[in-house]
Amino acid sequence: EIVLTQSPGTLSLSPGERATLSCRASQSVSSSYLAWYQQKPGQAPRLLIYGASSRATGIPDRFSGSGSGTDFTLTISRLEPEDFAVYYCQQSETFGQGTKLEIK
Amino acid sequence: QVQLQESGPGLVKPSQTLSLTCTVSGGSISSGSYYWSWIRQPAGKGLEWIGRIYTSGSTNYNPSLKSRVTISVDTSKNQFSLKLSSVTAADTAVYYCARDSSPPGFWFDPWGQGTLVTVSS
Repeated sequence: EIVLTQSPGTLSLSPGERATLSCRASQSVSSSYLAWYQQKPGQAPRLLIYGASSRATGIPDRFSGSGSGTDFTLTISRLEPEDFAVYYCQQSETFGQGTKLEIK
Repeated sequence: QVQLQESGPGLVKPSQTLSLTCTVSGGSISSGSYYWSWIRQPAGKGLEWIGRIYTSGSTNYNPSLKSRVTISVDTSKNQFSLKLSSVTAADTAVYYCARDSSPPGFWFDPWGQGTLVTVSS
């Protein structure tokens, strides 16, 4: 069973800054199966990135995904106030434990 | 655009069976060769995939829940359903239904708004 480990657990940044979130798999995975989600309090997760680097419909281009093998990254180029949320990576049926992006 | 909505009791007694239904609107559950999944999230915790179904009736379940889970589909009603038997307090969570990709497991999108199910006597 693949385990996804996200880091950091919490990331404190200010609006306008760049955010880099990491997702590490316990064994090499196909990039086709790596997705990222955003979840705000009281809401369902929203698909941001699929196939490691493809943005879902309607997702702003400040969100980008990269990586391969065991190491994947979600980057938010310039944080907007609405970007502060919890982010999850997903590989097949497994989710990471999440990274909370909070306002500094 | 496709939308999903969960429905079912918000309170279930221990040892009983949790039953939820997901209604798909804005499109046919049978179109696009998609799969349909259930995912849950205990309060303040992460996401756990429960299982999926294809409109043919083919299912896959999380091995950790397999003995207690049944997912079914009713294409005439554009719905799919979850049954989880012998529930305990550990099954208290927000339950989401979501469209699963084809092939399955690439992504989940969209999601229903989620429904809180509490297991308590």
